[in-house]
Amino acid sequence: GESVGLHLPTLSVQEGDNSIINCAYSNSASDYFIWYKQESGKGPQFIIDIRSNMDKRQGQRVTVLLNKTVKHLSLQIAATQPGDSAVYFCAENDFGWGKLQFGAGTQVVVTP
Amino acid sequence: DTGVSQDPRHKITKRGQNVTFRCDPISEHNRLYWYRQTLGQGPEFLTYFQNEAQLEKSRLLSDRFSAERPKGSFSTLEIQRTEQGDSAMYLCASSYQDGYTFGSGTRLTVV
Repeated sequence: GESVGLHLPTLSVQEGDNSIINCAYSNSASDYFIWYKQESGKGPQFIIDIRSNMDKRQGQRVTVLLNKTVKHLSLQIAATQPGDSAVYFCAENDFGWGKLQFGAGTQVVVTP
Repeated sequence: DTGVSQDPRHKITKRGQNVTFRCDPISEHNRLYWYRQTLGQGPEFLTYFQNEAQLEKSRLLSDRFSAERPKGSFSTLEIQRTEQGDSAMYLCASSYQDGYTFGSGTRLTVV
């Protein structure tokens, strides 16, 4: 769904299934991307990052894919667990250490 | 290393009052950032420091907002003459090279 104001796009996933969260970024000059997880009342928690000279990077249960041609980023979570329920944000940066520009966020709800 | 610390966690203030928030970054991080987040939105950049130098300020940072990092370690964000529209979560982050680390934020409510 489209995000307007308080209404975040929501991804409902059954426990144990894989999740895919998508993000379209805006700046073709961006060369560094980060995925964050944010639980209610907490600050964003770093999950995984990727530089523009890579297409894919893997972490523990997570994989980030970068398609620079269409300016698209995705986060794949394997074997989704109840603790993965949170809002997920992608962020981009065009200088490696300056300000981050955040996307709108996706609410992930894991159902038993 | 206990991560990025922010104080207070919650602040309720009356409209027109001044408030000040503090951020203690990870000790070896030379860059410190302030963001503001409203419900349902991603964090929005306000300003950042490299050591004690304030290198960039967003247009969101009106003249009622001021940030300092006097010794290149902790930072303060002050909001003068608070307005109801200032109600938000104020997040601090720090970095050395890659991998920005965020604090838990200060939730400001202006009544």
